[in-house]
Amino acid sequence: EAQVTQNPRYLITVTGKKLTVTCSQNMNHEYMSWYRQDPGLGLRQIYYSMNVEVTDKGDVPEGYKVSRKEKRNFPLILESPSPNQTSLYFCASSFSLGYGYTFGSGTRLTVV
Amino acid sequence: AQSVTQLDSQVPVFEEAPVELRCNYSSSVSVYLFWYVQYPNQGLQLLLKYLSGSTLVKGINGFEAEFNKSQTSFHLRKPSVHISDTAEYFCAVSDPGNQGGKLIFGQGTELSVKP
Repeated sequence: EAQVTQNPRYLITVTGKKLTVTCSQNMNHEYMSWYRQDPGLGLRQIYYSMNVEVTDKGDVPEGYKVSRKEKRNFPLILESPSPNQTSLYFCASSFSLGYGYTFGSGTRLTVV
Repeated sequence: AQSVTQLDSQVPVFEEAPVELRCNYSSSVSVYLFWYVQYPNQGLQLLLKYLSGSTLVKGINGFEAEFNKSQTSFHLRKPSVHISDTAEYFCAVSDPGNQGGKLIFGQGTELSVKP
């Protein structure tokens, strides 16, 4: 089944403790992207990648890192999480802009 | 910078009634337009998209949307809603020339279908 898989689905952590949210797609898509969803703000792009080793900042990159060492994987790294990063995170992938993105099921992160 | 405005944050409607969810975007240049649906505790699912051609676009689950370039709008419609359509709906726009594949989302509209 074609899908984007994120792990974990839920995560509660403490301020400052490094964490990684994994994302993997099995559709051989070029584009991958991370979004965060907050009430009243819709979805905002954190980082995106157009291909292996090609990444760039989205609208809200502060406090996040990404890497794209393989085409299928695009992990999101929070080196020192803070409470304002408490949010619902989505990974998405796409063959091209015109196809629209396929989204993962989301990761609900709480930083206390 | 492009922006997307969904004009209603919440839309309550009775089952079998028609519904329209409104979306306006800021750019007057060529754009791709999308509607996504998010059911509770799930990711976003693509409902329909407009890339070019016919301004009336049909999607899944009986939804359709009309692209209006002069009004920079892309309103979503369904002639008769079901309880199962209760969800949050997001309008999104992308610039075909944008190298980052960036989708810009509206704030979302919560559709609540009542029996």
